[in-house]
Order: sequence, then C-alpha cells, then structure tokens
Amino acid sequence: DAGVIQSPRHEVTEMGQEVTLRCKPISGHDYLFWYRQTMMRGLELLIYFNNNVPIDDSGMPEDRFSAKMPNASFSTLKIQPSEPRDSAVYFCASSLMAGGKANEKLFFGSGTQLSVL
Amino acid sequence: GNSVTQMEGPVTLSEEAFLTINCTYTATGYPSLFWYVQYPGEGLQLLLKATKADDKGSNKGFEATYRKETTSFHLEKGSVQVSDSAVYFCALNTGFQKLVFGTGTRLLVSP
Repeated sequence: DAGVIQSPRHEVTEMGQEVTLRCKPISGHDYLFWYRQTMMRGLELLIYFNNNVPIDDSGMPEDRFSAKMPNASFSTLKIQPSEPRDSAVYFCASSLMAGGKANEKLFFGSGTQLSVL
Repeated sequence: GNSVTQMEGPVTLSEEAFLTINCTYTATGYPSLFWYVQYPGEGLQLLLKATKADDKGSNKGFEATYRKETTSFHLEKGSVQVSDSAVYFCALNTGFQKLVFGTGTRLLVSP
C-alpha cells in the first residue's frame, strides 16, 4: 500500500494567492482528516470527512479555508486568499472504521510545508 | 473540555538511557489514549494505544499504562537508541475518530 499521499511536499506562495493542497487517502479508508501543525499551536484538527461527507469543520480557522472530498480517493484543502499566518505544515490522515467500531488508528501523509510570504 | 498536556522538550538523553515522557489528560467519559511518533520530515505514526483503565500499550520497546486515578499515560522505554530521536505526541480519542493531540515532546538521543 502506498500510504496517504499528499502534494505538493512544499509550497511557497505570496500573500493573497490561492493555495490548493491535495490528498489521496489509503484505498478503502472511510475517514479523512486535515490537520495543521505549527510550533505555537501544535496539531490542530481542521476538518474531517466520513464517506466523503464533511462531519466536523469546527476547526477551520475562517472562511478563507475550504475543503472538499469529491470522491473516496481525493480531497483538497484550499486557502483563498492566503496570509503569512497560514504558514504551517498541513497533514492529511485517513482511517478505517471496521465492524462498527472506530479503528482509532490514523495513517498520516508526509505533509505539505506551506510558506506564505 | 478535552485536552492533553505533555512535558516540554527537548528531552536529551544518551544512548541506552531510560526514557520517560509525561502525559496527563482531561476528558469526559473514558477516552482511548495514544502515543504517536513523528520522525523528521514524515507524518505521525501510531506507536501504541490503550483503550481502558490499567491497560498497558507496548510497541518497539516503548510502553505506557492508562492510569485513570492520575489521568496519566506516561511513555517509557528502558534503553533508548539514536534511532528513537523523534517527536512524540500523546493523544486521546474524544469519540468516533476525532483525536486531540498534545503539543509534542522532542527526544534527542546522542551516541
């Protein structure tokens, strides 16, 4: 299995530009999560999906952030317009609920290092 | 609310030393508890977990015991290796698949 695949690995952009981060979860997994990691705030859950449906987006910092999951094998996190304070590592993770019981094991991608200048 | 508190790092040890990384939690109900590890340039990986009081999770020589009376889940290893250098995250499951992570503790092991 290739694991969770994120792209790009690094993104450098200028303030005001649109940024799109991409994630391919592990095949067969039914949950997908977007996390943001910064030195100041640690790991923050932004949003998660179950069977492609957004379940909880209470961690999305503001309207500039949006996430979609058009199918079971692809998700995007978009920031428009981007700001310097959005600079962070963004992780995508997926997991599987099997037999009605939460697996509780998240598989993380390698992350996207975003720098907004 | 639900939260996890970890000891501040970095923790600096010599190879073969004993490791303890403290973790305490605040939660409603009876959460499952986890330790995740993040190696440089990589995403987090599950290291071990415990799902109920007095359970001991263990993996790769690491272990942690779910202590309900002290709301703790301290990570221990008897003899660390240079390859254990990483950032360690304590986490709890508040329900379904939603994990709450601590701020992470960096471990540096020197030869």
